[in-house]
Amino acid sequence: ELKVEQNPLFLSMQEGKNYTIYCNYSTTSDRLYWYRQDPGKSLESLFVLLSNGAVKQEGRLMASLDTKARLSTLHITAAVHDLSATYFCAAGQGPARQLTFGSGTQLTVLP
Amino acid sequence: DTEVTQTPKHLVMGMTNKKSLKCEQHMGHRAMYWYKQKAKKPPELMFVYSYEKLSINESVPSRFSPECPNSSLLNLHLHALQPEDSALYLCASSPPASVETQYFGPGTRLLVL
Repeated sequence: ELKVEQNPLFLSMQEGKNYTIYCNYSTTSDRLYWYRQDPGKSLESLFVLLSNGAVKQEGRLMASLDTKARLSTLHITAAVHDLSATYFCAAGQGPARQLTFGSGTQLTVLP
Repeated sequence: DTEVTQTPKHLVMGMTNKKSLKCEQHMGHRAMYWYKQKAKKPPELMFVYSYEKLSINESVPSRFSPECPNSSLLNLHLHALQPEDSALYLCASSPPASVETQYFGPGTRLLVL
């Protein structure tokens, strides 16, 4: 059974600071996803990571994947208030490409 | 068009009611999913349809009955729900046998009284 662990669960950051969210998964997965969810809203796709060493960047967010360590990271650079949201990682598995989500990281960026 | 639509946005129902949730996409995706999300929790997979056939049922109680009438439409029929079934129900779609991301709809917020 695929399990996905994400930490930290809660993260308060000052604007302008850097931080990293970690996502570990338990068994082989051929892809790793990052989503953002604002309160009361649906999930917005941020990144799809498919291969070992994959790195993707969009604005102040950068995601990476290490399949050997079964670890993905989401790095936040010079945080701004607009990044406040809950971030989920999800690992994909199986012929139906079902996703198993981590618990989520609730990020609050403080002025 | 990269949009998944869901209706209704909000639904309040009693435990004896029968209601349905609707999900629609016109991206040509042949895999569609239902997820349940409780407050402050991650989405949990309920059902997967691939080419209009149910391929995964994650041991969901029979009071939830999915239906995929065609490649663009996914329904979730609700009957005799319990208060603990109150949650945000999310629909998603993706190309089958693909590593492309799943596109999520806005969700239906369900309250069972």
